[in-house]
Amino acid sequence: DQQVKQNSPSLSVQEGRISILNCDYTNSMFDYFLWYKKYPAEGPTFLISISSIKDKNEDGRFTVFLNKSAKHLSLHIVPSQPGDSAVYFCAAASDAGKSTFGDGTTLTVKP
Amino acid sequence: DTAVSQTPKYLVTQMGNDKSIKCEQNLGHDTMYWYKQDSKKFLKIMFSYNNKELIINETVPNRFSPKSPDKAHLNLHINSLELGDSAVYFCASSLRGLLADTQYFGPGTRLTVL
Repeated sequence: DQQVKQNSPSLSVQEGRISILNCDYTNSMFDYFLWYKKYPAEGPTFLISISSIKDKNEDGRFTVFLNKSAKHLSLHIVPSQPGDSAVYFCAAASDAGKSTFGDGTTLTVKP
Repeated sequence: DTAVSQTPKYLVTQMGNDKSIKCEQNLGHDTMYWYKQDSKKFLKIMFSYNNKELIINETVPNRFSPKSPDKAHLNLHINSLELGDSAVYFCASSLRGLLADTQYFGPGTRLTVL
């Protein structure tokens, strides 16, 4: 039962343009959502998060949008930079400390 | 100065062997986790410990036994290794294990069972 899905395994974007990564979930009990970024041969690193009581959270070039009715969240990166090329995981949490991860989207930002 | 470290980084072994992966965090966090990333790239939580006590135990074969000698260490011991155990195993920690606590991940241990 895959509760968190990232339907696009890969995304390619030109430098300077917007990258939009999507994530859907099925469990309405999820209260908190996170995005992690992962480079090859490294562990995931936290990027940005959003509580279920909000619909938007912004941090520099990164903005996460949450649509609870659609059970959908997205990560916007503007402007995209080549250093943003990585695998992006969305995660959703309903219980303390327990996060359910999606299977990742590989973002490639072309110079 | 690595925050969450794992050893070894790579582990190649034969079916049926017993092996351990070690994890240490120097962040002063109370909660530590083990995740498995399989060939489909899903990160699945296996175990979580808070102050040396087990708080999350997902459906994992009992061949996997975590051990937390202190809150800075969470080791994973695997008995009678099987081909399907081949994966990348990530250790992580968070401050208190609360909903909004960021998890800090180690670099991963790639386990290959032949």
